[in-house]
Amino acid sequence: EAGVAQSPRYKIIEKRQSVAFWCNPISGHATLYWYQQILGQGPKLLIQFQNNGVVDDSQLPKDRFSAERLKGVDSTLKIQPAKLEDSAVYLCASSFRRRGESAYFGPGTRLTVT
Amino acid sequence: DQQVKQNSPSLSVQEGRISILNCDYTNSMFDYFLWYKKYPAEGPTFLISISSIKDKNEDGRFTVFLNKSAKHLSLHIVPSQPGDSAVYFCAASDEGGYQKVTFGTGTKLQVIP
Repeated sequence: EAGVAQSPRYKIIEKRQSVAFWCNPISGHATLYWYQQILGQGPKLLIQFQNNGVVDDSQLPKDRFSAERLKGVDSTLKIQPAKLEDSAVYLCASSFRRRGESAYFGPGTRLTVT
Repeated sequence: DQQVKQNSPSLSVQEGRISILNCDYTNSMFDYFLWYKKYPAEGPTFLISISSIKDKNEDGRFTVFLNKSAKHLSLHIVPSQPGDSAVYFCAASDEGGYQKVTFGTGTKLQVIP
């Protein structure tokens, strides 16, 4: 069974530039999550999709972050414009059921904003 | 507001001994608790979970204990192996419709051969 795929693995941009991350969840997983993990902290949920609908985006900085999940499968997370404090690892996860027990994480994208 | 706390950022244990990782939470609405393990440059992987209706769950060398009155849970690894060296995250979810998962800050475990 293929895992959660993410690209790119690493990205370096200057502040005020834009960046996009891509995630392909495990086939059949209805729930998709985007987490932000700042160095030394635990993952923080940015947005959660159930199929292609958003069920939680309470911690997504909507003035600069956006996310979509096309046809309930792949998802993209965009930051525009980026700030220095956006430097973090962005993790995508997916699950078949609602509870986090069966959530599978991708390897993450490490973003550095200079 | 850190609702899930792991107060020990690191822990070193000799191979073969017991590793005990601790976690405290503040939100009384949490009803499901999970432990994830993370190696460098990889995403977290699910390790073990426990429902609030239980006080213990065991899976091989891994046991999670839950003390609801103290809002405390712990992960025991017996015996510890060098391959267990990783960052361990405690996480919790509440009874909300889509069970949002909140993570702690992690404890880095080093098992010394």
